[in-house]
Amino acid sequence: DVQMTQSPSSVSASVGDRVTITCRTSQSISSWLAWYQQKPGKAPKLLIYAASSLQSGVPSRFSGSGSGTGFTLTISSLQPEDVATYYCQQANIFPPTFGGGTNVEIK
Amino acid sequence: EVQLVESGGGLVQPGGSLRLSCAASGFTFSDYEMNWVRQAPGKGLDWVSYISISGNTEYYAGSVEGRFTIYRDNAKNSLYLQMNSLRAEDTAVYYCARYSGSRGDFTYWGQGTLVTVSS
Repeated sequence: DVQMTQSPSSVSASVGDRVTITCRTSQSISSWLAWYQQKPGKAPKLLIYAASSLQSGVPSRFSGSGSGTGFTLTISSLQPEDVATYYCQQANIFPPTFGGGTNVEIK
Repeated sequence: EVQLVESGGGLVQPGGSLRLSCAASGFTFSDYEMNWVRQAPGKGLDWVSYISISGNTEYYAGSVEGRFTIYRDNAKNSLYLQMNSLRAEDTAVYYCARYSGSRGDFTYWGQGTLVTVSS
């Protein structure tokens, strides 16, 4: 299975700060990477697909980049409603696998 | 509006069985591949199973292979997961998720149903 390593495991930032989350894969997955946001007690929500494409309805402060084995999710200006756990997921190599998650908090 | 509503979770003893259901609405169910993904309490996301549009192709995580069966009824817009020989480590919230095969993402998720395996 493709191993997914997210960092950091948690981040605390102020409202308005830029937040960057990294996802590294054990094998090249081209651009077959998605990012999800999960708020406490809720289901995951798709934010980014194909590494850098914004899912419809997702605020433009979220962006994704990368290819191969290194990817980033950036929140350009952190808002209180962005408090959540973020997961990356690869779909290039069966079975699909998820990163361990990054908790984003407000400082 | 896309809606996925899971049901069927609950408390079951080790070795027992449970059938989860997922009712789909707001889209043409028979046009989409579907999956089950689970999340153990306080843990991350784990893919469980996949089924093709027609239902002819199924895939399973190694941890559930031979114990779980995924199937669908396109006439009823419903997805199912039959879980047998349940173990404590199967305790989790189970989500059904609509899949985009062309993009590789789980585009929409249900609210989840909790399965607890305990004596």
